[in-house]
Order: sequence, then structure tokens, then C-alpha cells
Amino acid sequence: SQTIHQWPATLVQPVGSPLSLECTVEGTSNPNLYWYRQAAGRGLQLLFYSVGIGQISSEVPQNLSASRPQDRQFILSSKKLLLSDSGFYLCAWSVSGRGMQQYFGPGTRLTVT
Amino acid sequence: AQSVAQPEDQVNVAEGNPLTVKCTYSVSGNPYLFWYVQYPNRGLQFLLKYITGDNLVKGSYGFEAEFNKSQTSFHLKKPSALVSDSALYFCAVRAPGGNTGKLIFGQGTTLQVKP
Repeated sequence: SQTIHQWPATLVQPVGSPLSLECTVEGTSNPNLYWYRQAAGRGLQLLFYSVGIGQISSEVPQNLSASRPQDRQFILSSKKLLLSDSGFYLCAWSVSGRGMQQYFGPGTRLTVT
Repeated sequence: AQSVAQPEDQVNVAEGNPLTVKCTYSVSGNPYLFWYVQYPNRGLQFLLKYITGDNLVKGSYGFEAEFNKSQTSFHLKKPSALVSDSALYFCAVRAPGGNTGKLIFGQGTTLQVKP
């Protein structure tokens, strides 16, 4: 069966510090991968998605970047965090194909102080 | 453009009563629709989806959803609510273009089931 991992679960970082969040998927090959941010326990904002190694699409301009160094690894980064980067970050995966649902990881709660 | 709307920020229902969480959509082409549930500080869990076929879709935890093409709706339902159903519910529609698998999510509806 497939599983998705995210770490760390919780992170408190000062403004201006770097960020690296990691997401890995097990039990599947060549998944589509997604990073979302959820602010204030509400709507989801799609940040990045990837359909293959090294292929990253950005949905919104921002202070963050993403990379996919391996087939089942997706990393969210920032060189300098802003207060507005605080939120709940969710990674998700899906298989290719129309109508396929996404499966979400447990999330990382980031607080920028 | 594809979009999905959840007109209610919160739905309150008594335990044992039927529940409905509303969702309407706007798509070009065939709609692929999804429902997810999120418990506090957790990731989203997939409940059910409509791709084609029977308009009544059955999913996890006793939930079902009815696809109504004429009303462009995909309401989530359950015959008898449990306190443990209290959570945040998201409706989503597949984004257009290719096989990226991108979904467009509604803003979410908080379901509160009171004992």
C-alpha cells in the first residue's frame, strides 16, 4: 500500500531563517506531487506541483521554492522566511490520469516568529 | 474556468439526524468531483468522488454524495450524523488541462454534530 510522510510535524522558525520541508511517498512510482498551504484552518492554496523529477510548476509567486530531486521526494524551501509564511503545509500525491484523487500527508505546522 | 463553491461556512446538526453539506460547481466539460474531510491538525482524507455513472456515489464512513447535473451540485450527505463526524469538509473539482491531477478546492464547511 502507498504511504506519504512529511517532516517535521511542527516547526518554529524566526523571521529571516531558511526553511526545508520534506515529503516522501512510498509504494508508488512516478506520482504527481503537490504542496499546499492552509492558513487559519481554512482554504487550501496550491503552491507547487510536479509531474516528474526536476519538473516543478509554481502556482503563485511567493517566497518559497520547491524541488523534486528523486521520483518520490518533494521538498519545499525558503531562503528567508517571512511572518506571512506561517501556516499548515500539506503535501499530496496522485497517480496520473483523469479523475484520480489526491492523497494527503499529515502536514507540517510552521510558525514563523 | 473551473470553480467550486461551498455556500455554508458551518453546518450544525444533532446527532442521529441526517446531514447535508452543500457544494456547487462550474466546469467546462465533464466534471470530476471529490469530497475530503479534515480533522484538526491533520491532513485531508479522501471520502468519495464522482467521475461518471450513477449519480449517487457512496464513500467512506457512511457518507454519500449526489451528483446533479442540472443544478450543478454535488452535495455530501449522511443519513444519521455522529459526533465524530464533526470536522472540516472540502469539495473539489478537477482542474482543466492535461494529466496534472490538480484539484480546485472550495473554501470548506465546518460540520458540527452535537450530542
